[in-house]
Amino acid sequence: DAGVIQSPRHEVTEMGQEVTLRCKPISGHNSLFWYRQTMMRGLELLIYFNNNVPIDDSGMPEDRFSAKMPNASFSTLKIQPSEPRDSAVYFCASSWGERRYQETQYFGPGTRLLVL
Amino acid sequence: AQKVTQAQTEISVVEKEDVTLDCVYETRDTTYYLFWYKQPPSGELVFLIRRNSFDEQNEISGRYSWNFQKSTSSFNFTITASQVVDSAVYFCALSVGANSKLTFGKGITLSVRP
Repeated sequence: DAGVIQSPRHEVTEMGQEVTLRCKPISGHNSLFWYRQTMMRGLELLIYFNNNVPIDDSGMPEDRFSAKMPNASFSTLKIQPSEPRDSAVYFCASSWGERRYQETQYFGPGTRLLVL
Repeated sequence: AQKVTQAQTEISVVEKEDVTLDCVYETRDTTYYLFWYKQPPSGELVFLIRRNSFDEQNEISGRYSWNFQKSTSSFNFTITASQVVDSAVYFCALSVGANSKLTFGKGITLSVRP
C-alpha cells in the first residue's frame, strides 16, 4: 500500500516567492495533519483536517500560510510570500480518525524547504 | 496544556549495549495516547508504538520494549543489544482525547558505534 505522498521533496526558493506544498494521504484515511520541523522549535502542528474540514489551525504562524483540502485525497499548504524563517521540513501525516479514540498518524517523507 | 519532556538530548553507545530512552509527559486528561517515532538520518518519521492511557501493560517487540508507568507519567523505550541501524532521532509524542494533534518531545539523538 502506498504511504503518504508529499511533493516536492525539496524546494529552494527566493524570499517573496509563493511556495505550494502538496500531500496525498493514505487511501481511506480521513484525517490529515501538517507539521513543521525546525531545529529551534522541533516538530509542531500547523493545521489538521478531519473529513476535509479544518479542525485546528491554531498552529498556522500567520496569514502568509494557508492550507486547503479540496477532497479526501489531496491537500496543499501554501506560503505567500515566503520568508527565510519559513525554511524547515514540512511533514504531512494522515490517520483514520474516529471520534472515540486516537488512531496512529503515518507521516510522509517530508518537504525540505529552503527560502533564500 | 500537554507537554512531553525528553530530558536526554544525545546518547552514544557501543553496539550490543542496551539503551533506555526516557519520556515524561504532562496532561490533565484521563484519556490520552502515547507514541514513539523514529527519525533515521534519511529524515522520514517512522511509527514505532502507540499506547492508550488505559493500558499500562508493557510491550516487547523484538529488541524493542516499552515501559508505561502512569504513576510517574513516564513512557520509556528500551533497545536491547543495540545495532548501528538503530542510530536515529527518537521522538516521544502525546495526544489527548480522540483524533487530535500530536505534541512531540524534542527528540533524543541515539548514536550506536560499531
